[in-house]
Amino acid sequence: NAGVMQNPRHLVRRRGQEARLRCSPMKGHSHVYWYRQLPEEGLKFMVYLQKENIIDESGMPKERFSAEFPKEGPSILRIQQVVRGDSAAYFCASSSYGVGAYEQYFGPGTRLTVT
Amino acid sequence: AQSVTQLDSQVPVFEEAPVELRCNYSSSVSVYLFWYVQYPNQGLQLLLKYLSGSTLVKGINGFEAEFNKSQTSFHLRKPSVHISDTAEYFCAVSSYGGSQGNLIFGKGTKLSVKP
Repeated sequence: NAGVMQNPRHLVRRRGQEARLRCSPMKGHSHVYWYRQLPEEGLKFMVYLQKENIIDESGMPKERFSAEFPKEGPSILRIQQVVRGDSAAYFCASSSYGVGAYEQYFGPGTRLTVT
Repeated sequence: AQSVTQLDSQVPVFEEAPVELRCNYSSSVSVYLFWYVQYPNQGLQLLLKYLSGSTLVKGINGFEAEFNKSQTSFHLRKPSVHISDTAEYFCAVSSYGGSQGNLIFGKGTKLSVKP
């Protein structure tokens, strides 16, 4: 049973470009969470999605960031017009339940570097 | 609002010594509690979780944690550490009920095991 998959593992973008991060949840999981980890910081929640629905985006920056989880295919976190401050590790997690504190399984992360 | 405080950012310890990593949380509602481990350049792996029942929780790799509601703590312990336990450890909390399933993380504790 494959775990949570994220790609790419490393992504380098110049300032002003777009970054697209992909996450395939564990088989049977329909709930996806995105977290961002800045250097020397813990993980910060960004967004929680179910298939075709954004459930909670309270942690998403108001501009340039968007996320989707289509009926078919992986979840996508999109960052438009990246800036140096977007450099971080972005982790995706999935679970089989959305409401409450059920176990989340994490992917290996995408490390974004903005030059 | 919930928050998690990991009191030690770094914990150096000699191999085969016992270790305790401290975690305190703040929440106005009942919570679920988790400890995750992150090895360099990898994702997070769940060590153990407290959902309900016995306050002493046993996890993988010989780790255990004790939930103390009166002190709002969830400290992680291991009686004898190995070099391979060198990693960063994150305490996390999530509320049950309501519409949010996201985890709130502490800033992490870097455990360094020396020979």
